[in-house]
Amino acid sequence: QQQVKQSPQSLIVQKGGISIINCAYENTAFDYFPWYQQFPGKGPALLIAIRPDVSEKKEGRFTISFNKSAKQFSLHIMDSQPGDSATYFCAAGGSQGNLIFGKGTKLSVKP
Amino acid sequence: DAGVTQSPTHLIKTRGQHVTLRCSPISGHKSVSWYQQVLGQGPQFIFQYYEKEERGRGNFPDRFSARQFPNYSSELNVNALLLGDSALYLCASSLWGRNTDTQYFGPGTRLTVL
Repeated sequence: QQQVKQSPQSLIVQKGGISIINCAYENTAFDYFPWYQQFPGKGPALLIAIRPDVSEKKEGRFTISFNKSAKQFSLHIMDSQPGDSATYFCAAGGSQGNLIFGKGTKLSVKP
Repeated sequence: DAGVTQSPTHLIKTRGQHVTLRCSPISGHKSVSWYQQVLGQGPQFIFQYYEKEERGRGNFPDRFSARQFPNYSSELNVNALLLGDSALYLCASSLWGRNTDTQYFGPGTRLTVL
């Protein structure tokens, strides 16, 4: 049973455009929702995270929107750059201190 | 400050063999978690250790085991390797191991089972 569903699987965006990645979760006990960025051959790196008592969080060009009633959250990357080309994972904080990850979105930003 | 370090970087084993992967957390972090990342998928939780005690375990067979040492470094052991164990094994450290703590990932160990 997949507890965090992520879409789309891949995304192509022009330089300067907005990249949007969506995630949905099932377990209402989750209370921490981070986004990680992973480049080939590297481990995931934390981008931005949100708690469910906040509906939106912005850090630079990255924004998380959170909808608690719909159990959905999304990552918006404004002014997307070729250097943003990577795989992005949403995750949810589980009760064991573990993270439950989505399957990832491969983002390609075309110059 | 050094981030999370893992060794070795790459490893090739044959079916039935045993493997030990090592992780050193960020200085001051007391919790280490292990994840398996199969190509094209998100990381899957294997274990979490805090203060040398196992705090959580994912849905992995008993062939997988781990431990944490007094200096907070950790080892992941996998016995009787199967082809399906081929993956990137990631170690993550956090301050207290709470589900709201930021987890910092190492570069991983790429395991290939032939």
